[in-house]
Amino acid sequence: DADVTQTPRNRITKTGKRIMLECSQTKGHDRMYWYRQDPGLGLRLIYYSFDVKDINKGEISDGYSVSRQAQAKFSLSLESAIPNQTALYFCATSDYLGQPQHFGDGTRLSIL
Amino acid sequence: EDQVTQSPEALRLQEGESSSLNCSYTVSGLRGLFWYRQDPGKGPEFLFTLYSAGEEKEKERLKATLTKKESFLHITAPKPEDSATYLCAVQGEAGTALIFGKGTTLSVSS
Repeated sequence: DADVTQTPRNRITKTGKRIMLECSQTKGHDRMYWYRQDPGLGLRLIYYSFDVKDINKGEISDGYSVSRQAQAKFSLSLESAIPNQTALYFCATSDYLGQPQHFGDGTRLSIL
Repeated sequence: EDQVTQSPEALRLQEGESSSLNCSYTVSGLRGLFWYRQDPGKGPEFLFTLYSAGEEKEKERLKATLTKKESFLHITAPKPEDSATYLCAVQGEAGTALIFGKGTTLSVSS
């Protein structure tokens, strides 16, 4: 089983819909992250959390919200999806600063 | 501002033809430089962490090196299964995020 699991793997939805992407991990890491990947732009940080009570905005947080339900679970929501949020979304975890982040296999999200 | 530039954007090699990928960076206080491999439809897979200039890490046909301004990923005698996009990322002392380059897409043909 994968250490970092993202669901769903693919999602097609319409403009204005609310969408939730989920991430769970079995690595026992406290730190969790959400990134999006766009062609030509690379990976960019949306939100991160260092523990259940800690939530922080990343570089591109507008239009997104997150919830850290437990140490192992971190979800990303798009309250009202728009087409320019079409992208690959990745969840990652890490042990502490300076340690590598470990990624899930992503959610491919298409907003029509 | 922390920044990472990778070159070339794409690289085509014949099997057995060694080469190097470059990652140039600017960062305030380097906590770590990370190399990842990404296959189509998959998330980035961690390869190496380098922490200080002069450090080298090796795994199979891959060797990563670090100076104060850049890192190289050397690929010796590549095989078709080495075909992937290779990502470089840095973490500065003030930051929590990894700052990623746009990657080098490597294609190795037999």
